[in-house]
Amino acid sequence: AQTVTQSQPEMSVQEAETVTLSCTYDTSESDYYLFWYKQPPSRQMILVIRQEAYKQQNATENRFSVNFQKAAKSFSLKISDSQLGDAAMYFCAYPSGTYKYIFGTGTRLKVLA
Amino acid sequence: DTGVSQNPRHKITKRGQNVTFRCDPISEHNRLYWYRQTLGQGPEFLTYFQNEAQLEKSRLLSDRFSAERPKGSFSTLEIQRTEQGDSAMYLCASSLDSRGSGGYTFGSGTRLTVV
Repeated sequence: AQTVTQSQPEMSVQEAETVTLSCTYDTSESDYYLFWYKQPPSRQMILVIRQEAYKQQNATENRFSVNFQKAAKSFSLKISDSQLGDAAMYFCAYPSGTYKYIFGTGTRLKVLA
Repeated sequence: DTGVSQNPRHKITKRGQNVTFRCDPISEHNRLYWYRQTLGQGPEFLTYFQNEAQLEKSRLLSDRFSAERPKGSFSTLEIQRTEQGDSAMYLCASSLDSRGSGGYTFGSGTRLTVV
């Protein structure tokens, strides 16, 4: 069965510092996408970054980057220069088939001023 | 376009009552999804529409749940004879991409509390 595991229920980071959120997944597919979504308190979930599995280069979006290890089935999110607005729940997601996502249980990120 | 809109934002209902939620996706998106999120968990897939056709229903969707998307536009999710276990955030999302590569656009959700 396809699964997504986020082993860190909560993380804290000092403002302006760097933090890495972990995600592992299980799949037998070779061509797929992976996503990180951010869910601020009482606000809608938004896409942070996506990674195409067949691309060796790690995706980067401004202060957000991923460390994608395909063989290890690991997909971690690095947030650099953390800001107070980064405080949120972060979910790792894997599309099962062409449309249905499997989400991890999430990591709550606290940013300390 | 104002994104994916869900109404109501909050709903409190007594056990046994019926409730209906509405989702208005991004107009050019032909794919629409419903997910359920309980406290401390990630969203769980409920059902998926491509245009007006409901192509998959999760086993989480009991006979008390029904979803429609008439004319491939907005969608409704109805829960009949609500139970306390139905209390959750119900999320709607839409997409245009056919390979799942583009990601979803989510609505803000409807939080259901069954008392």
